[in-house]
Amino acid sequence: EIVLTQSPDTLSLSPGERATLSCRASQSVSSYLAWLQQKPGQPPRLLIYDASNRATGIPARFSGSGSGTDFTLTISSLEPEDFALYYCLHRTNSYSFGQGTKLEIK
Amino acid sequence: QVQLVQSGAEVKKPGASVMISCRTSGYTFTNYAIHWVRQAPGQRPEWMGWINGGKGDTKYSQNVQGRVTFTRDTSASTAYMELRGLRYEDTAVYYCARGTTPDVWGKGTTVTVSS
Repeated sequence: EIVLTQSPDTLSLSPGERATLSCRASQSVSSYLAWLQQKPGQPPRLLIYDASNRATGIPARFSGSGSGTDFTLTISSLEPEDFALYYCLHRTNSYSFGQGTKLEIK
Repeated sequence: QVQLVQSGAEVKKPGASVMISCRTSGYTFTNYAIHWVRQAPGQRPEWMGWINGGKGDTKYSQNVQGRVTFTRDTSASTAYMELRGLRYEDTAVYYCARGTTPDVWGKGTTVTVSS
């Protein structure tokens, strides 16, 4: 079973700053890694799929990179609505989520 | 637009079964898989498995295999998830989501297991 570990657990930043979130897999997932955003009381929302492809309607300030075991989600300039929980998700022969990174307002 | 509409909240006793429906619209049901994902309060989402909307083949996570069954009705563009032998720890919000990488999600169905 592939385990995804996200860091940091909590990231405190101000609007306008750059956010960098990490996800490390216990073994290679090739490029089969997605990033999702979740706000309280809402389902997850797909941001990035296959490591670096923005989902439909996702603003250009969101970008993803990485392959193999190390992946990064970057938000270039934080907007107030970006403060939320972020999860990575792999899809190989099975699927699993990381434990999440909470992006909070500093 | 693509929509996944789930059935309403359920309260069940331990040992009972629950079935949740996920009615889809706005796309060709048989061209996409449907995933089932649950999320206990304050926890990360947990992937339960998927069903191929066309062929109907399924894959279940080891955590729920043996207690869960996914089915679909292609004529109604609807997927179903049945979970049997409910335990207190099955209390969660259950989501259906479309696609190889889940790109459109239902709003969730709350299942509460309580005596």
